[in-house]
Amino acid sequence: EPEVTQTPSHQVTQMGQEVILRCVPISNHLYFYWYRQILGQKVEFLVSFYNNEISEKSEIFDDQFSVERPDGSNFTLKIRSTKLEDSAMYFCASTEVGNSDDGYTFGSGTRLTVV
Amino acid sequence: QQPVQSPQAVILREGEDAVINCSSSKALYSVHWYRQKHGEAPVFLMILLKGGEQKGHEKISASFNEKKQQSSLYLTASQLSYSGTYFCGTEDYGQNFVFGPGTRLSVLP
Repeated sequence: EPEVTQTPSHQVTQMGQEVILRCVPISNHLYFYWYRQILGQKVEFLVSFYNNEISEKSEIFDDQFSVERPDGSNFTLKIRSTKLEDSAMYFCASTEVGNSDDGYTFGSGTRLTVV
Repeated sequence: QQPVQSPQAVILREGEDAVINCSSSKALYSVHWYRQKHGEAPVFLMILLKGGEQKGHEKISASFNEKKQQSSLYLTASQLSYSGTYFCGTEDYGQNFVFGPGTRLSVLP
């Protein structure tokens, strides 16, 4: 079954450093998303991406965040200057179309720990 | 605006039934249900698109009352593997999708 893959599975970084989280969505999917989940809390929407541009973003997705699709397969989330409160599980997801009967397919996540 | 889920947590014995509710203050285009096991990604269970729609997935089914802007997830004859946190996700007509806070389900032998 096709899956969304994320790397790395765990990233530890020092406060103020830049991190790039990588995702390979399912190949025929056109819509890509980043969500984050602080330990023990709800899953929060960060950003959606379609046709090489951001289609929607939340209040959490401020100027320190950016997304990019540098080639035909990767979808990245960059955090420019990490803060302690950025520590969370970051999930990438993709869908074939915007309103999909198949729901969102999530990757297994990257656990980001900012120290 | 985030949907409300109830209960926050439920503990069952194997074979017992449970109902998890999800309600929104906004008119809904669709409701999704996901299950997340500890340390893993949320896994899609089902989506309901039409008011009055009911769907089933093994012994897990759901209904969507569009007028009341709410959905319920029914777990019957629960199994140990059903343990996890269940999230509803609601999508409004502006294509805004947001997850609920989750309901932690524990199934004990």
